[in-house]
Amino acid sequence: DAGITQSPRHKVTETGTPVTLRCHQTENHRYMYWYRQDPGHGLRLIHYSYGVKDTDKGEVSDGYSVSRSKTEDFLLTLESATSSQTSVYFCAISEGIIPGEQYFGPGTRLTVT
Amino acid sequence: AQRVTQPEKLLSVFKGAPVELKCNYSYSGSPELFWYVQYSRQRLQLLLRHISRESIKGFTADLNKGETSFHLKKPFAQEEDSAMYYCALMRYGGSQGNLIFGKGTKLSVKP
Repeated sequence: DAGITQSPRHKVTETGTPVTLRCHQTENHRYMYWYRQDPGHGLRLIHYSYGVKDTDKGEVSDGYSVSRSKTEDFLLTLESATSSQTSVYFCAISEGIIPGEQYFGPGTRLTVT
Repeated sequence: AQRVTQPEKLLSVFKGAPVELKCNYSYSGSPELFWYVQYSRQRLQLLLRHISRESIKGFTADLNKGETSFHLKKPFAQEEDSAMYYCALMRYGGSQGNLIFGKGTKLSVKP
């Protein structure tokens, strides 16, 4: 499982509430990613990180922010959750030798009511 | 624009039948393509990458630049192949490259 964990695994929250999802890795990989998975849309990249404090936006970054203060942790924050952010969120890591070769976490199912 | 298209949302075959999961891409440079698979209640995992030209679990995929395709094939489907399959394209640009995923094809192998 490439030493990737996500927390929480399930969360139900109300519209307008801030939410933070955590991705933790034990592999010391440089690259980390956050995706959301929605029926009919596949996986879409939200944000990614290419090092501590180095992050960049993906294709669906609006409404999300990220932080990476240490190699092993990559946090995804929804500042004010909306129902459209109900989704399954996956974290992934890559050592970067082959950037397209990514290892995924187990996912977090987020429901915004 | 870079894009990955998987035209079939659902593909249903019988055990022992050949399987072909279609993937077409749009990319101006030299493409790097991957197939990922997600079995029920499991995490997404890498199945194949075109640069290695390997066969994993009996699956192969050949990059056809003329047809801009990277179809996934298996000669004899097994029930345990039932899963969600995603084709992905590596896009380089900005601070670092990232993957563009297709919308996925759900493969159902019936006994």
